Amino acid sequence: NAGVTQTPKFQVLKTGQSMTLQCAQDMNHEYMSWYRQDPGMGLRLIHYSVGAGITDQGEVPNGYNVSRSTTEDFPLRLLSAAPSQTSVYFCASSYGTGRGTDTQYFGPGTRLTVL
Amino acid sequence: DAKTTQPPSMDCAEGRAANLPCNHSTISGNEYVYWYRQIHSQGPQYIIHGLKNNETNEMASLIITEDRKSSTLILPHATLRDTAVYYCIVREAGAGSYQLTFGKGTKLSVIP
Repeated sequence: NAGVTQTPKFQVLKTGQSMTLQCAQDMNHEYMSWYRQDPGMGLRLIHYSVGAGITDQGEVPNGYNVSRSTTEDFPLRLLSAAPSQTSVYFCASSYGTGRGTDTQYFGPGTRLTVL
Repeated sequence: DAKTTQPPSMDCAEGRAANLPCNHSTISGNEYVYWYRQIHSQGPQYIIHGLKNNETNEMASLIITEDRKSSTLILPHATLRDTAVYYCIVREAGAGSYQLTFGKGTKLSVIP
């Protein structure tokens, strides 16, 4: 299994540009989520999905859109990039039983800089 | 979810046990204690979790006090590769519980 994969690894955008961060998992996990991590801080939840066709907002959803058309993929879209969105973005997945014993697996991250 | 308190940093000599404390005095009865670590800006890695009994796996041991208000993660023989930020997370066990709430964690430095 490749686990959780993210592309690209690095990205530089100009203010106002849009882009999509890709996340895929091959573990047949129902639950997927996106976090952002700013320097010296812990991770903050942006959006999550408990299955194909179902998404919901996390702690910091503004400026981001998500969709979940397949179990495997959970892309994160930046609609109009702003310097405040400069961060490292992590995707995670788990079986999604909805119980606190789910172990979440994280991808390697995408490092985004918005100029 | 209950809040956790961890020291911002700790040092440990290579080959010695690393004991990382976590305070979660407001934990409720259906909340688990989870530990993750993040090595040099990689994605967080699951270490161990527990409810009220002590737990051990191939990576670490988790000791939870009887009143469940604090816990200690033990890395029995720390190596240089264990240098990382360690996050203690308290997470609800009920249905619909998905989110992990990360604090700033403890930066563990393993010294040669």
